[in-house]
Amino acid sequence: QKEVEQNSGPLSVPEGAIASLNCTYSDRVSQSFFWYRQYSGKSPELIMSIYSNGDKEDGRFTAQLNKASQYVSLLIRDSQPSDSATYLCAVTPWDGGYNKLIFGAGTRLAVHP
Amino acid sequence: TAGITQAPTSQILAAGRSMTLRCTQDMRHNAMYWYRQDLGLGLRLIHYSNTAGTTGKGEVPDGYSVSRANTDDFPLTLASAVPSQTSVYFCASSDSGPQEAFFGQGTRLTVV
Repeated sequence: QKEVEQNSGPLSVPEGAIASLNCTYSDRVSQSFFWYRQYSGKSPELIMSIYSNGDKEDGRFTAQLNKASQYVSLLIRDSQPSDSATYLCAVTPWDGGYNKLIFGAGTRLAVHP
Repeated sequence: TAGITQAPTSQILAAGRSMTLRCTQDMRHNAMYWYRQDLGLGLRLIHYSNTAGTTGKGEVPDGYSVSRANTDDFPLTLASAVPSQTSVYFCASSDSGPQEAFFGQGTRLTVV
């Protein structure tokens, strides 16, 4: 089982809709959780980080964390064509310390006008 | 600001040859990482370092080695390249934790 699982997509949503991206992780004691966005041919860039259960909002983005279910999600409100990208979930599993940053395979989001 | 710089940006390498991918950061971050990215597989951690003088193995370390002689530099060496090492390689750094990771622009390596 991969440490971080994401649906590869593509997830296709109309402009203005809410895009919901999901991620599950295997290490129950993972501590830090991140969402990165990667445009085609570019480097990943951080859009959200979350460390405790609940919701964290930043503009049109909301990250949700449920450690009991080992589940983290990203909601994008009022989706725009410029949001079309691959979204990567990353976690810090325990390996004697929280030393590694492990990524999922990413979900490709397509926002159509 | 430079942030994190990788070199070269792309390279074609004959199988069996050795190569070092360079990575330098100017943010004084303690942690640095090397990932490879292949279609459908996302970013896979090759090696990491939490501080100068220490390194650790990631998910796919075989065929690669790293060193961390100082805070700023984290080179990745392929001792004898094989075609399966054809990939895009990303170097990243973060403050201790890890916190937000910043990525270099990537190195596209083709082993023929």
